[in-house]
Amino acid sequence: AQKITQTQPGMFVQEKEAVTLDCTYDTSDQSYGLFWYKQPSSGEMIFLIYQGSYDEQNATEGRYSLNFQKARKSANLVISASQLGDSAMYFCAMSDGGSQGNLIFGKGTKLSVKP
Amino acid sequence: DTEVTQTPKHLVMGMTNKKSLKCEQHMGHRAMYWYKQKAKKPPELMFVYSYEKLSINESVPSRFSPECPNSSLLNLHLHALQPEDSALYLCASSQDIPPGALEAFFGQGTRLTVV
Repeated sequence: AQKITQTQPGMFVQEKEAVTLDCTYDTSDQSYGLFWYKQPSSGEMIFLIYQGSYDEQNATEGRYSLNFQKARKSANLVISASQLGDSAMYFCAMSDGGSQGNLIFGKGTKLSVKP
Repeated sequence: DTEVTQTPKHLVMGMTNKKSLKCEQHMGHRAMYWYKQKAKKPPELMFVYSYEKLSINESVPSRFSPECPNSSLLNLHLHALQPEDSALYLCASSQDIPPGALEAFFGQGTRLTVV
């Protein structure tokens, strides 16, 4: 069975500093996708970044980068130059390579950015 | 336009009421999803529609009834709910299933309270 593990319930970071949010996964599929979503207190799930299991290069989107280490089954999110607006819940998620169309979410990490 | 619109944003209903949640997207996506999210928990998949046909029902009680009238709309009909059904209900869409290589876009959610 597939599983996503986020071991940091909460993280603090100083404004303008970088922060890494951890995510490990477990799957027997060869083809899968890894996602990070941001969920502010308003509730909307905001897509941040995607990494495919066959992508050789780490994904980057602006201040977000995904540190993909396939052998270790980890997909950590790095946020550079943190901003106050980055304070939110962050979910790591995985899709299977089959036809189920399901996203499996980790328990999330609550990030708080301090001024 | 990368927007998924959900209405209403907030809903309070009694256990004998019948209500509906609505979700709309105009991105030409052919897969649409309903997720349920309890407080401080990750979203859990309820239903998946692919090309307007129900493809996944994750053992959801019959008091939740999904409907996909066309490729842009997804409804969730609610009847005889219980207080434990109070949660944030998120709608999402993606170009196709699986979302393995394609991000899913989420709406802002409907915060449902059953009294």
